[in-house]
Amino acid sequence: AQSVTQLGSHVSVSEGALVLLRCNYSSSVPPYLFWYVQYPNQGLQLLLKYTSAATLVKGINGFEAEFKKSETSFHLTKPSAHMSDAAEYFCACCSGNTPLVFGKGTRLSVIA
Amino acid sequence: GAVVSQHPSRVICKSGTSVKIECRSLDFQATTMFWYRQFPKQSLMLMATSNEGSKATYEQGVEKDKFLINHASLTLSTLTVTSAHPEDSSFYICSSNRDPYGYTFGSGTRLTVV
Repeated sequence: AQSVTQLGSHVSVSEGALVLLRCNYSSSVPPYLFWYVQYPNQGLQLLLKYTSAATLVKGINGFEAEFKKSETSFHLTKPSAHMSDAAEYFCACCSGNTPLVFGKGTRLSVIA
Repeated sequence: GAVVSQHPSRVICKSGTSVKIECRSLDFQATTMFWYRQFPKQSLMLMATSNEGSKATYEQGVEKDKFLINHASLTLSTLTVTSAHPEDSSFYICSSNRDPYGYTFGSGTRLTVV
């Protein structure tokens, strides 16, 4: 069975500081991995996705994530946090026409 | 692109009534639609998978007689919450997968049952 674990339900950073949101996955097949952002009462917006090409994936709004097979991780980073980055972030897996499996989410707060 | 339009975005209904949520694929044919439910401060939980022209597949613990899913055409899937109760209040989101664009999500429906 596939699963996704997001470490830390809430992360708080100062504006301009590094953002690091952690995601580990478990999959019996090579996974596709995704990061989504959700603002209050809205749907999900895709930040970036890994689909077995380059292990370092760049997404929108300055976010990027690195797929590390040996660590079964796909952590999301951004060098400098903006106030507008405050939202809920979800890591998801996996592949084909099967439904995505989501982590529990990490709420990012950005402090001025 | 691959756009899924979900309607309504917000609905308030009285306990005991039924509510229908629609998801339309605007620029592609969605043979499969996934329906998720999200409770406050929680993640998205898959409720069911609907396939055009066949019965939906429900996840364990989801009552198929309460959450009626219809996928009668390649561009429309509907979720009807029957005899809604306050505990059904939640955020419902549909999703479909279209190569090469990947998974696309509706904007969600906030259901409040009073």
